[in-house]
Amino acid sequence: GNSVTQMEGPVTLSEEAFLTINCTYTATGYPSLFWYVQYPGEGLQLLLKATKADDKGSNKGFEATYRKETTSFHLEKGSVQVSDSAVYFCALYLMDSSYKLIFGSGTRLLVRP
Amino acid sequence: GAVVSQHPSWVICKSGTSVKIECRSLDFQATTMFWYRQFPKQSLMLMATSNEGSKATYEQGVEKDKFLINHASLTLSTLTVTSAHPEDSSFYICSAIQGGSGNTIYFGEGSWLTVV
Repeated sequence: GNSVTQMEGPVTLSEEAFLTINCTYTATGYPSLFWYVQYPGEGLQLLLKATKADDKGSNKGFEATYRKETTSFHLEKGSVQVSDSAVYFCALYLMDSSYKLIFGSGTRLLVRP
Repeated sequence: GAVVSQHPSWVICKSGTSVKIECRSLDFQATTMFWYRQFPKQSLMLMATSNEGSKATYEQGVEKDKFLINHASLTLSTLTVTSAHPEDSSFYICSAIQGGSGNTIYFGEGSWLTVV
């Protein structure tokens, strides 16, 4: 079946540290891949996306590359800020009859000053 | 970017009453919308897929008579929690597909429901 696996959190970093949140997927077909961010008490916001292999999505200093060979879409940021503290969800979307967006379990990031 | 708006953001209702949550796509037409439920510190659980002009498709284990979903127009879907109970208290989030942009899915801000 289709699924998304994320690294468990929480991830605690100091400000300006390098961030990697791992995400791997299993899909029957060619999914689009997304990272969503949820700040405390808020809904989800689209952070970045990639629709085909080798695409790199980027936004607000975050990047993720669609790696078909490793079925991965790891989220990275070179220098995190306190304001990046949030929960990050990796998700895949298949344009099949169901049009479902399948989420990973989420990874909580806490950035300390 | 595309905007999806939910209303209300917060609602408190008495046990046994019904409450309606609206989800609107403000600047695009959405033939398909989704409703999710999120428990504290957990991921989102897809409840149902809402298609304009047709009945919603519910996920396994979701009571369709309790969570009524109506998608009356291309910009509005509603979720009605009927005969609410305290265990229905949760964060409900809707999303909508914007076609023509790689079929990107945008989310509403979410609605906190507390049943007392």
